[in-house]
Parts: sequence; structure tokens; C-alpha cells
Amino acid sequence: NAGVMQNPRHLVRRRGQEARLRCSPMKGHSHVYWYRQLPEEGLKFMVYLQKENIIDESGMPKERFSAEFPKEGPSILRIQQVVRGDSAAYFCASSPRGREGRGYTFGSGTRLTVV
Amino acid sequence: AQTVTQSQPEMSVQEAETVTLSCTYDTSESDYYLFWYKQPPSRQMILVIRQEAYKQQNATENRFSVNFQKAAKSFSLKISDSQLGDAAMYFCAYRSGTQGGSEKLVFGKGTKLTVNP
Repeated sequence: NAGVMQNPRHLVRRRGQEARLRCSPMKGHSHVYWYRQLPEEGLKFMVYLQKENIIDESGMPKERFSAEFPKEGPSILRIQQVVRGDSAAYFCASSPRGREGRGYTFGSGTRLTVV
Repeated sequence: AQTVTQSQPEMSVQEAETVTLSCTYDTSESDYYLFWYKQPPSRQMILVIRQEAYKQQNATENRFSVNFQKAAKSFSLKISDSQLGDAAMYFCAYRSGTQGGSEKLVFGKGTKLTVNP
């Protein structure tokens, strides 16, 4: 079982470019969560998705950020027109179903640097 | 909204000694889960231990144990016989267990643990 796979591990973008972060959940997991970690901070929830559905996007900025989890393929977190403040580590986690009290499995994150 | 507070930004411990990391939380829910995650320099988030709020018995995992005080809303992590590999950031996290409640984890800001040889 390969675990939660995130790529790329590091991503550098110039201001105004688009960033696309990918997350492949563990085999058999149909629930994906995205978190953002700013320097010296804990992780902050962004969005919770099931296949083809956004369940909770209460942590997503209203503009420039979007997420999807298509029927086939990885989950994608897209940031349009990146700014310096978007520089952070972005983590994906997955679980086999909702209401999972075991705590879900995290990927190793993508570190986005905006220059 | 639930909040999680870790009041110790940094802690240090001598190898083979015991250290306790503090965590308090605020919630109006009665059903929830609490977690401690470890984040080494590799950045990987590793689940260390979890506690269900309805269980009175404190969770233990080998050298890691918790002191869960529900009335005080306190959830501290004790690491016994500390090892160099325990050096990392440690995050306390909360998740609702209420039907219809939020699926998200709420994290504290973390405690950086240094283990001295």
C-alpha cells in the first residue's frame, strides 16, 4: 500500500502563475482533505472532498483557490494567480470514509514557493 | 468553533528522560476525538496516538501515553525514555465525533521537541 502520494514535493512559481498540486489517496480511500501549513504554524483545514463532490470548503479562500476530486485520477488543488502569501506547505490526507475517528493518513506535502 | 492551544512553543529533554507536552482545547461538544501528530524535518505528519472522548482510560502506545482530563479539557502527551528520533514538531488536534459535525481536524500551533544526547 503506497500511502497518500503528493506531487510535486516542491513547486516554485512566479507571482501571477498557476499552481496545481496533486494528491492520490491511499487505495480504497474515497475521502480527501487538504490542509495548508504556514511557517511556524499548525495545519489549517481548507477543503474536504469525496469522489466528484465537495463536502466542506469552509477553509478555502473565496478567490483563486479551487479543488476537485474526479471520478478517475488524483485530487487537484489549484491556485490561480499566485501571490507571495500563498507560499506554504500543502498537505493532503485521505480516509476510507467519513466520521473516521482513527485520524486519517497524511501525505508528505507539497512545499509551494512563490517568487 | 473549536480551538486547540499548545502553550509550549519549544521543549527539550535529555535522552532517556521523560517529557510532557501540554494541550488544551475548547469545545461545547461531548463526543469528539483527540490526536497527537509528530512532524519530523521530513515534513511527514505521523499519527502518534489518539483518544476517544467517551473513553475514560488514557490511551497508550509503547513509550507514548496521554493524560486526558475531559472536565479540564486537557490532553497532554507523555514521552517516556526519550530517544533522539523523537525530536520533531508535535501537534495536538481535535475532531468532532458528533453526527453531522465537521470532518476537519483542528490543530494547535505545535511544540518543537529537542532531544539532547
